[in-house]
Amino acid sequence: GENVEQHPSTLSVQEGDSAVIKCTYSDSASNYFPWYKQELGKGPQLIIDIRSNVGEKKDQRIAVTLNKTAKHFSLHITETQPEDSAVYFCAARTGTASKLTFGTGTRLQVTL
Amino acid sequence: EAGVAQSPRYKIIEKRQSVAFWCNPISGHATLYWYQQILGQGPKLLIQFQNNGVVDDSQLPKDRFSAERLKGVDSTLKIQPAKLEDSAVYLCASSLVKAAPLHFGNGTRLTVT
Repeated sequence: GENVEQHPSTLSVQEGDSAVIKCTYSDSASNYFPWYKQELGKGPQLIIDIRSNVGEKKDQRIAVTLNKTAKHFSLHITETQPEDSAVYFCAARTGTASKLTFGTGTRLQVTL
Repeated sequence: EAGVAQSPRYKIIEKRQSVAFWCNPISGHATLYWYQQILGQGPKLLIQFQNNGVVDDSQLPKDRFSAERLKGVDSTLKIQPAKLEDSAVYLCASSLVKAAPLHFGNGTRLTVT
């Protein structure tokens, strides 16, 4: 089955700096890669996703890039703000019926 | 739109007891998922329903876990008997169709003592 590795496990940045979280996946047939943000005591919330026919997608301060050859994808957050502090999860899915496999999460802390 | 509703928010039980969790998905969402999230880990799929039929329950410990989705709307997940290693957050999610993005509820935090 699919295996998703995520790095780093923790990331501390100063407000206004950029943050990058990287994930690798094992199944070359995976075609959908969402990113979720989870705040304390809440469920994961989808923040951005990308499909395998696209190399990059941007939504205001967040962007995701996908390298199918290397089987890795990354989340980029620019101009970080304290409210960006949370745990971020990447995930990958193969086909339309297969389950979503999550990474182990990255705890992002944005300091003033 | 109203989000995915789950109850209870917290539950503490002793090992070998039974527990049930309830989920009400977003209205009109055909696909419903139950995930288990152990502290410090990513969510792991337990079971996926398409309407009221099971699509994937390959990672559900069927000797102790059961789930149903009657009438293709609400769902319940039951654990009987519970073990210490079942302590986790149980997340329910729904999607409009199988390939659509998942929307998660806030989960039920289970502590087994």
